[in-house]
Amino acid sequence: AQKVTQAQTEISVVEKEDVTLDCVYETRDTTYYLFWYKQPPSGELVFLIRRNSFDEQNEISGRYSWNFQKSTSSFNFTITASQVVDSAVYFCALLHNDYKLSFGAGTTVTVRA
Amino acid sequence: DADVTQTPRNRITKTGKRIMLECSQTKGHDRMYWYRQDPGLGLRLIYYSFDVKDINKGEISDGYSVSRQAQAKFSLSLESAIPNQTALYFCATSDSTGTNYGYTFGSGTRLTVV
Repeated sequence: AQKVTQAQTEISVVEKEDVTLDCVYETRDTTYYLFWYKQPPSGELVFLIRRNSFDEQNEISGRYSWNFQKSTSSFNFTITASQVVDSAVYFCALLHNDYKLSFGAGTTVTVRA
Repeated sequence: DADVTQTPRNRITKTGKRIMLECSQTKGHDRMYWYRQDPGLGLRLIYYSFDVKDINKGEISDGYSVSRQAQAKFSLSLESAIPNQTALYFCATSDSTGTNYGYTFGSGTRLTVV
């Protein structure tokens, strides 16, 4: 079964704190892609990052970084020095071999000034 | 103009009414999808289409139907709306693999069934 689990329902931090969002996935595919999307209060879905199953190199892009560990089937996402504008729902998603995208339940992040 | 346009943005309808949600895209993508978002459940796939002559059920297709009128248009219908179909609906498109950026999503249609 293909499944994406985001165990954290809500996270609340004070501005400038770091926030790490957990994502654990299940798949039998050997080739797959993982994504993080952001949904701000306005409701649209914004693509943030992508990682394929062959590349476990962790990267930093501005205030965003991610930690992909195939051995533990985890794809965690960190926002460094959070800002109020980071307040949103964040979704982890898994693209299967059949090119369908499965989403986790989402984590609501609230950044307080 | 947005790459993926959904109409209407908001809709309130009564139980038992037929309603159609429309989606059009300018991405030139062959693949189109309809998702439903409910709090605490994330997004769940309702129907998807890999080309104009291809329609497939997703994980929660009961109570819904779709029509792929052209490469750029993909409509979702609720034949007889019920209150538990109240949700935020997203249309999305992707290229042949969806691997570059995942999907491109519309802005969503907030549907309330009373």
